[in-house]
Amino acid sequence: QKEVEQNSGPLSVPEGAIASLNCTYSDRGSQSFFWYRQYSGKSPELIMFIYSNGDKEDGRFTAQLNKASQYVSLLIRDSQPSDSATYLCAVISSNYQLIWGAGTKLIIKP
Amino acid sequence: DGGITQSPKYLFRKEGQNVTLSCEQNLNHDAMYWYRQDPGQGLRLIYYSQIVNDFQKGDIAEGYSVSREKKESFPLTVTSAQKNPTAFYLCASTPSSRSGGAPDTQYFGPGTRLTVL
Repeated sequence: QKEVEQNSGPLSVPEGAIASLNCTYSDRGSQSFFWYRQYSGKSPELIMFIYSNGDKEDGRFTAQLNKASQYVSLLIRDSQPSDSATYLCAVISSNYQLIWGAGTKLIIKP
Repeated sequence: DGGITQSPKYLFRKEGQNVTLSCEQNLNHDAMYWYRQDPGQGLRLIYYSQIVNDFQKGDIAEGYSVSREKKESFPLTVTSAQKNPTAFYLCASTPSSRSGGAPDTQYFGPGTRLTVL
């Protein structure tokens, strides 16, 4: 059973600090990795995707992928109250299935 | 504006009724998906379709049915056989390499919240 694991949280971070969200996956052959943000009662929206080992930066967001350790993380710099949401990790496995984590609830405290 | 629309936003079903959730996209995406999300949980795949007139079961297809007669439309019917249908239903689509966009990225509609009375 291929799995994607996330800490459900909630993760509470002060405004202006760095929020660090983590995701581990079981299928070593996984190929593509996505972070989605979901506000309460709304549909998920893509934040970032990453395919290669290392860091990928987009504004205040940085995705980090370490295939050897089978984890992918999302860093949010200068956290804002509007970043409060549930963050979903999704992974495309070696057999091309998209597998979702259950999400981490992030709360940014003003 | 290009996007995915779902209707209705809220839907109430009586016991024993079949109901159909609409999903339409004008993004020219080949693949479309239906997910179910329960409170505090991730997304679970119900059905997906990679091409018109073809679809496959996902992880929790029992009690659901779909059709894909047009590229733009992928309606989901929740049948009376689905014993616990109260959930948030999300439709998504994925661009093919021909239509552009980051491959495998899922674009979601706004969702339909179904409640059984």
